Amino acid sequence: GDSVTQMEGPVTLSEEAFLTINCTYTATGYPSLFWYVQYPGEGLQLLLKATKADDKGSNKGFEATYRKETTSFHLEKGSVQVSDSAVYFCALSDIWSGKLVFGKGTKLTVNP
Amino acid sequence: EAGVAQSPRYKIIEKRQSVAFWCNPISGHATLYWYQQILGQGPKLLIQFQNNGVVDDSQLPKDRFSAERLKGVDSTLKIQPAKLEDSAVYLCASSLGLGGLSSYEQYFGPGTRLTVT
Repeated sequence: GDSVTQMEGPVTLSEEAFLTINCTYTATGYPSLFWYVQYPGEGLQLLLKATKADDKGSNKGFEATYRKETTSFHLEKGSVQVSDSAVYFCALSDIWSGKLVFGKGTKLTVNP
Repeated sequence: EAGVAQSPRYKIIEKRQSVAFWCNPISGHATLYWYQQILGQGPKLLIQFQNNGVVDDSQLPKDRFSAERLKGVDSTLKIQPAKLEDSAVYLCASSLGLGGLSSYEQYFGPGTRLTVT
């Protein structure tokens, strides 16, 4: 079945450091890909998405590119802030049902 | 626009007891999902409704879990009897529908944290 593998955490960075969280997927067909974020004490929020190969999703300075050849969707940000501290989930959706399959999540802590 | 509402936010029960969770999706959203998120893992789909019909319940432990969405709006998820391994956050999400990519965006509620002792 479909699956998502993302980089194990936790990840600890200093403010203004460069962030990469790796995500690879296995799926039949051509899924849409997502990054969700869960801030402490809050629910899951959609951060960005890409719906086809070579699409780049971006939001709040975060970017991820849908790479079909490497089945990857790595999350990047050029300069992280303390407020980016959260758990980040990579996910794919089945194109027919919309069902989401999530990775295990990566906890990011950004220190001042 | 009001978001997805869930209640209760927290519940502590003993094993073998029963528990029910409630979800009210965003108005007009035809598709409703229940996910289980065990500590340290990503959410896992339990059941998906389209209006009041079940689309996917392949990962719902049907010997103890049940869910309904009788009028195609709000939904309840029940566990009876609960086991220790059911301790998790239960997330409800909704989306406009199944068709078209813009309809796939799911909006999540705050979740219900269940502790089974």
